[in-house]
Amino acid sequence: EAQVTQNPRYLITVTGKKLTVTCSQNMNHEYMSWYRQDPGLGLRQIYYSMNVEVTDKGDVPEGYKVSRKEKRNFPLILESPSPNQTSLYFCASRTIAGWNNEQFFGPGTRLTVL
Amino acid sequence: AQTVTQSQPEMSVQEAETVTLSCTYDTSESDYYLFWYKQPPSRQMILVIRQEAYKQQNATENRFSVNFQKAAKSFSLKISDSQLGDAAMYFCAYRSAQGAQKLVFGQGTRLTINP
Repeated sequence: EAQVTQNPRYLITVTGKKLTVTCSQNMNHEYMSWYRQDPGLGLRQIYYSMNVEVTDKGDVPEGYKVSRKEKRNFPLILESPSPNQTSLYFCASRTIAGWNNEQFFGPGTRLTVL
Repeated sequence: AQTVTQSQPEMSVQEAETVTLSCTYDTSESDYYLFWYKQPPSRQMILVIRQEAYKQQNATENRFSVNFQKAAKSFSLKISDSQLGDAAMYFCAYRSAQGAQKLVFGQGTRLTINP
């Protein structure tokens, strides 16, 4: 089954404790991205990657890091989480070929930073 | 930078009735895509319908249709014969046809279906 998986689905942590949210897709997509969803703000892009070893900042990259060492994986790293990073996070992927390329979303990760 | 605005934080409709969700966007580009996503309580993002800006004909998917007004930069979603399963948060989104082609989302509209 074609899908984007994220782990963990839920995470409660404390300020300053480094964490990684994993994202993996099995569709051989070139493009992957991370979004955060906050009430009244919709989804905002954090980082994106057009292919292996190619990453770039989105609209809200402060406090986050990413890496793209393999095509299928795109982990999101919070090296020193703060309470303002409490949010719902989505990973997404799509092919970059063609006009009508649907973006597939993971199931979301609910992060709480105390 | 492109922006997307959904001016209705909440909407409600009686079951079997029709409801329209509003979306406006701002862009200087001529080629782009527009989307409506549904997010039920499960939080999964589900693509409802999409529209290519170069197509004048409005997209339809069963009970879902859009009213795309390119000059007015408006992209509303009409849900006909509303069902209880339509209750969700709905997001309008814009994607450029050039460059990094990121999705830009609106703030969302929470739709309630009254039985």
